[in-house]
Amino acid sequence: GENVEQHPSTLSVQEGDSAVIKCTYSDSASNYFPWYKQELGKRPQLIIDIRSNVGEKKDQRIAVTLNKTAKHFSLHITETQPEDSAVYFCAASRKAAGNKLTFGGGTRVLVKP
Amino acid sequence: DVKVTQSSRYLVKRTGEKVFLECVQDMDHENMFWYRQDPGLGLRLIYFSYDVKMKEKGDIPEGYSVSREKKERFSLILESASTNQTSMYLCATRPSSYNSPLHFGNGTRLTVT
Repeated sequence: GENVEQHPSTLSVQEGDSAVIKCTYSDSASNYFPWYKQELGKRPQLIIDIRSNVGEKKDQRIAVTLNKTAKHFSLHITETQPEDSAVYFCAASRKAAGNKLTFGGGTRVLVKP
Repeated sequence: DVKVTQSSRYLVKRTGEKVFLECVQDMDHENMFWYRQDPGLGLRLIYFSYDVKMKEKGDIPEGYSVSREKKERFSLILESASTNQTSMYLCATRPSSYNSPLHFGNGTRLTVT
């Protein structure tokens, strides 16, 4: 089955700096890669996703890049703000019955004011 | 807006008890999932279902079973609760299209004493 590894497990950045989280996956058939943000005490929420036919996607201060050859994808947050402090999860899935998502272990991001 | 409702936010049970966690969705999604969330381990898939009465094991199904008698409802069952099943349990739903996002419920924090 799919295996997704996420690094780092914790990340502390100064407000205004950039944050980068990296994930690798094992199943070359995976073709959908979402990122979720989970604030303390809340449910995970989708913040951005990318499909395998696209190399990069941006949404304001957030961007995701995908390297299918190397089987890794990354989340980039620019101009970080205190409200970006949360746990971030990457995930991967392929087209199959159930369309299950396999998640990485999560990255706890702390943005220091 | 997708609504995924988990019946309990907090639950305390004794070792050996049979425990039912209920999840109801209102968006007619084909796929439903139960994840377990533990610090440092991310979100691990217990079971999922892609249709009524259909179920598939996830990555950590031992000690759990599920039931999906109606499309909108997916139940997670702990036949005999143990202390190592103390965790946060998250239900999620997803439409049949493979590149669609996962929608989570608020979670049930289960403590087994």
